[in-house]
Amino acid sequence: DADVTQTPRNRITKTGKRIMLECSQTKGHDRMYWYRQDPGLGLRLIYYSFDVKDINKGEISDGYSVSRQAQAKFSLSLESAIPNQTALYFCATSDQAGDTQYFGPGTRLTVL
Amino acid sequence: QQQVKQSPQSLIVQKGGISIINCAYENTAFDYFPWYQQFPGKGPALLIAIRPDVSEKKEGRFTISFNKSAKQFSLHIMDSQPGDSATYFCAASGLGAGNNRKLIWGLGTSLAVNP
Repeated sequence: DADVTQTPRNRITKTGKRIMLECSQTKGHDRMYWYRQDPGLGLRLIYYSFDVKDINKGEISDGYSVSRQAQAKFSLSLESAIPNQTALYFCATSDQAGDTQYFGPGTRLTVL
Repeated sequence: QQQVKQSPQSLIVQKGGISIINCAYENTAFDYFPWYQQFPGKGPALLIAIRPDVSEKKEGRFTISFNKSAKQFSLHIMDSQPGDSATYFCAASGLGAGNNRKLIWGLGTSLAVNP
């Protein structure tokens, strides 16, 4: 079984809808991250969490919110989706050293 | 401001050739330099990494060359194969705010190896 899983893998939604992307990990890591990937823009950090009670904004947090339900679960929400949030979204984890990140398979989100 | 600059954005290499991807950084506090490989439909995965106490690290056909004085590091893929076709990200890590380590990413290079 994969160490980092994401659901759903693909999602098409309409402008204004609320969307939740979920991430679960079995690596036992405290640190979890949400990134979005756009062509030519690389990986941009949305939010990160160092433990259940510690959540931090990344470089592009506007329009997004997160919830760390447990050490193993980190969810990303788009409260009111807009077309420029169409992207590939990745969840990642790391241990406390933080140097190596382990990525999930990604969620392809399309907002019409 | 892009703290880690990666080039080229895309690269086409013939099978058996050498692929070279370059990265430059600005922050001298960076002390860990990984490369990640991402295949289509997958998340990035750590490929190889180097710390600044050595100038080169080799793992199979993949080599990182590191130039501390120039603040540059590069990935060399020897005998490139079609199966190496992927997006490659360089990154740099060091202590950030609150004494936590932070990973800064390059924008990625799309490598295509022609058969």
